[in-house]
Amino acid sequence: QKEVEQNSGPLSVPEGAIASLNCTYSDRGSQSFFWYRQYSGKSPELIMFIYSNGDKEDGRFTAQLNKASQYVSLLIRDSQPSDSATYLCAVRGDTGGFKTIFGAGTRLFVKA
Amino acid sequence: DAGVIQSPRHEVTEMGQEVTLRCKPISGHNSLFWYRQTMMRGLELLIYFNNNVPIDDSGMPEDRFSAKMPNASFSTLKIQPSEPRDSAVYFCASRDRVANTEAFFGQGTRLTVV
Repeated sequence: QKEVEQNSGPLSVPEGAIASLNCTYSDRGSQSFFWYRQYSGKSPELIMFIYSNGDKEDGRFTAQLNKASQYVSLLIRDSQPSDSATYLCAVRGDTGGFKTIFGAGTRLFVKA
Repeated sequence: DAGVIQSPRHEVTEMGQEVTLRCKPISGHNSLFWYRQTMMRGLELLIYFNNNVPIDDSGMPEDRFSAKMPNASFSTLKIQPSEPRDSAVYFCASRDRVANTEAFFGQGTRLTVV
């Protein structure tokens, strides 16, 4: 079992719709959770982080965390064509050196 | 700060040659990570350092790969000898472990081994 799993997609949504991206992780000791966006040919950039169960909102983005289910998600409201990218889920434990493990990413296409 | 700086941006080499990738982390960051990204395997953690000390190198695929961090401002990832299957984008990232920041990535080195 991979440590961090994501559906590779592609996920295609129309402009203005809500895009929902999901991620599961295997290490119950994980404490910090991140969503990175990566445009083609570019490096990953952080868009959201969440540490506690529940929802965290930042503009059009909402991260959701459920540690009991080992599940983290990202919602993008009012999706724009510029949101088209690969979204990487990353998980970090707070022991063992604090290494950050990434999922393979979900490709999102927002159709104009 | 200029961010994480990697060099070279692109490298094309012949199979069997030695390849050295370089990384300068963000000043003040005390953790440094080397990742490899391919279409098939996604973003894989190869090795990471805390305070210049290698903590976990379990992701290093083979003995052909080695990494060093001689000081807080410089790290290298070396492949010797290189093989075509090493072709990938190699990213270096750094973070401030004490301040618990996220990891910031360099622009990557696209390696092609022919």
